[in-house]
Amino acid sequence: GAGVSQSPSNKVTEKGKDVELRCDPISGHTALYWYRQSLGQGLEFLIYFQGNSAPDKSGLPSDRFSAERTGGSVSTLTIQRTQQEDSAVYLCASSLQGLYGYTFGSGTRLTVV
Amino acid sequence: ELKVEQNPLFLSMQEGKNYTIYCNYSTTSDRLYWYRQDPGKSLESLFVLLSNGAVKQEGRLMASLDTKARLSTLHITAAVHDLSATYFCAVYLYGGSQGNLIFGKGTKLSVKP
Repeated sequence: GAGVSQSPSNKVTEKGKDVELRCDPISGHTALYWYRQSLGQGLEFLIYFQGNSAPDKSGLPSDRFSAERTGGSVSTLTIQRTQQEDSAVYLCASSLQGLYGYTFGSGTRLTVV
Repeated sequence: ELKVEQNPLFLSMQEGKNYTIYCNYSTTSDRLYWYRQDPGKSLESLFVLLSNGAVKQEGRLMASLDTKARLSTLHITAAVHDLSATYFCAVYLYGGSQGNLIFGKGTKLSVKP
């Protein structure tokens, strides 16, 4: 597609449930990032994928969070046993080595009730 | 560790006035990006600055990069209400953490009539 696609756009889940968030980057983009943004706050780095290299998972806040990127394209961020503090907007971005900037998806707004 | 500092973090200005947002970073880099975020929306790429002395302009916004001073500026000329948004700078750090891309905390701009 022409842009970075994220789904779902909104997700309401009960505390303790698992959720999966999907990111479909721009075709050919080798770099993919996940960020979290709480209301009125800046961007919190979660995880970074670059080509076939091992991902940089240094930003994942706990072992309840995991992400994978299949075939160097689509990525899924999984949050297990969700907590209320996980409520935020989860943003995905992709890039071709940063040479033309980073394109963000429209995000997934996660609400844990 | 790379630190990216934006100032001011909050800016209230009148229509028609000029102002500058500053983005300082703490280590060598020659790639810097500016983004705009409207409330409830994702990040939109404004400028990609890839060399020392780079200057880009779009409408009432102009961005520049001084890699020796480790400083980028986003200058607003004759502000209009439509420019009200949060502006983020992001710096690319070769071989660094967080996927090599470090964001500032954002500058929330409010333009009043």
